[in-house]
Amino acid sequence: KNQVEQSPQSLIILEGKNCTLQCNYTVSPFSNLRWYKQDTGRGPVSLTIMTFSENTKSNGRYTATLDADTKQSSLHITASQLSDSASYICVVSARSGYSTLTFGKGTMLLVSP
Amino acid sequence: DTGVSQDPRHKITKRGQNVTFRCDPISEHNRLYWYRQTLGQGPEFLTYFQNEAQLEKSRLLSDRFSAERPKGSFSTLEIQRTEQGDSAMYLCATYTPPEGPGNTIYFGEGSWLTVV
Repeated sequence: KNQVEQSPQSLIILEGKNCTLQCNYTVSPFSNLRWYKQDTGRGPVSLTIMTFSENTKSNGRYTATLDADTKQSSLHITASQLSDSASYICVVSARSGYSTLTFGKGTMLLVSP
Repeated sequence: DTGVSQDPRHKITKRGQNVTFRCDPISEHNRLYWYRQTLGQGPEFLTYFQNEAQLEKSRLLSDRFSAERPKGSFSTLEIQRTEQGDSAMYLCATYTPPEGPGNTIYFGEGSWLTVV
């Protein structure tokens, strides 16, 4: 069964600090991995997308890494801002099948002043 | 604004009533997904359409749930005889295959349902 596990479940950091969120997956055959940011009560918004051959991708202060061998990904947020407070969801896509997206439960990040 | 519109954004209904949600996708997107999300959880797949054809339904989609996409454009999700366990946010997502790194999947803002 395809699964995506995220850790930690929640995290509180001070404004300006860095943090790293983790995503482990068992999705096969792997196609790509996405990180989404979801503000409370809003729909998810795409941050990064990585394929098997990519091991790092940046989007501003967000940097995602992917180790396809160990089936792990991380999302690093640099110099956090209050607006980074949100849920960060890891989504893994399989190459086969139609409903190909497997969602993690997300990490709830709170950036405190 | 992702370009995917959902309506209503919020709905409070009494148990046993029927509710209908609508999703208007980005016009050129022919694939449309419905997801359900409860507090503290990631979205769970319900069903998806390729144009007007409903190609897959999750076991989560009981017989009280029905989804349509009559002209391959907007879609509706109807819940009959609502139960308190139906309280959740219902998310719509759209894109055009092939699904891949250069092809972003866009989500709507969701429709919050509270069954009292």
